[in-house]
Amino acid sequence: DVKVTQSSRYLVKRTGEKVFLECVQDMDHENMFWYRQDPGLGLRLIYFSYDVKMKEKGDIPEGYSVSREKKERFSLILESASTNQTSMYLCASSPPYLSGYGYTFGSGTRLTVV
Amino acid sequence: LAKTTQPISMDSYEGQEVNITCSHNNIATNDYITWYQQFPSQGPRFIIQGYKTKVTNEVASLFIPADRKSSTLSLPRVSLSDTAVYYCLPYNTDKLIFGTGTRLQVFP
Repeated sequence: DVKVTQSSRYLVKRTGEKVFLECVQDMDHENMFWYRQDPGLGLRLIYFSYDVKMKEKGDIPEGYSVSREKKERFSLILESASTNQTSMYLCASSPPYLSGYGYTFGSGTRLTVV
Repeated sequence: LAKTTQPISMDSYEGQEVNITCSHNNIATNDYITWYQQFPSQGPRFIIQGYKTKVTNEVASLFIPADRKSSTLSLPRVSLSDTAVYYCLPYNTDKLIFGTGTRLQVFP
């Protein structure tokens, strides 16, 4: 069974901390994505990557950075966590072509910044 | 990117067929239509995709008319476990941009 695994299901961090959210996929997909989901705002794209060492800004990149050193791993970094970054974070991957299987999402990391 | 419009919410009862319609008036020629399902506290799950006419799999059917300006997801004989949010998204191989989706509530 193909998988996207997010390292933590729940995280609590303090304001100002540097936070790393890890995502690993075992499908050899080129494309990887980070979204955040908030009530009433739906899923919003933060960053995405179409290849190793490559990254593109999504709709809400401010306050975030990413790292893609290996094909299977895409990390989201909160440089200095703030309370408005409390959210559900979702990682996804997909092949670079229409596969008939769409995106595969992880189970999400619920981050609380206090 | 094509903007989509879906009903915010729908109610149904177990055993009924549910049809959720999405409008996407300015869909690009090479975009497919994809639908995702999301349960609370989980990531979205791909359900079905199509380009034109009808597509059916073990979960749902997707109807897309010739002008491709709308699509309808059909869930046959829903159960309580189909209570979820359903998203319609145009897709090529670019990034997925989610709208607010349709919240389906199935009652016993």
